[in-house]
Amino acid sequence: DGGITQSPKYLFRKEGQNVTLSCEQNLNHDAMYWYRQDPGQGLRLIYYSQIVNDFQKGDIAEGYSVSREKKESFPLTVTSAQKNPTAFYLCASRAGTGLKEQYFGPGTRLTVT
Amino acid sequence: GQSLEQPSEVTAVEGAIVQINCTYQTSGFYGLSWYQQHDGGAPTFLSYNGLDGLEETGRFSSFLSRSDSYGYLLLQELQMKDSASYFCAVEGGGADGLTFGKGTHLIIQP
Repeated sequence: DGGITQSPKYLFRKEGQNVTLSCEQNLNHDAMYWYRQDPGQGLRLIYYSQIVNDFQKGDIAEGYSVSREKKESFPLTVTSAQKNPTAFYLCASRAGTGLKEQYFGPGTRLTVT
Repeated sequence: GQSLEQPSEVTAVEGAIVQINCTYQTSGFYGLSWYQQHDGGAPTFLSYNGLDGLEETGRFSSFLSRSDSYGYLLLQELQMKDSASYFCAVEGGGADGLTFGKGTHLIIQP
């Protein structure tokens, strides 16, 4: 079955540590996205990538980094510079820009203490 | 910048019809999308309006008026499984990716 996988589902880290969240898709989609969701809030765009080896900052990129070395993979690193990293992180993909539907992974809930 | 406004919570009765409104302010606009999210789950796509008018998909319909910067999602024959949060989202303004509203929590009562 085609889809998007994110691992792990729950992640706990100590303050000051960098942590990398995994996102893999086998939908052969060109575009991939990272969103952050806080309780009772909508999703906010962190980074996006329209093609391999290229990515762009979204609305809240500070304290985050990404890479896109393979079409299938778009890992997100939450660095120690991110002031409030505890959140629900969602990865999404889309076949191409201009198309309507984004497909979301199940999310990773990150808790930093 | 872009901003979207939608009610934080709506309550309806099983079997009834409910409308969730969304108004938006954007620097660029390609279309209005709607997503459903159950607690702790991933958002799933419901509908998209790129042009003015009504789009119907089964029990769900979505409407857009570009001149009013307004849209709504209409859910008919409500079922208990429709209890979820519903987000409107716009695309535009130069960056790829969606800008989401804060979501409407739909509560279905028997």
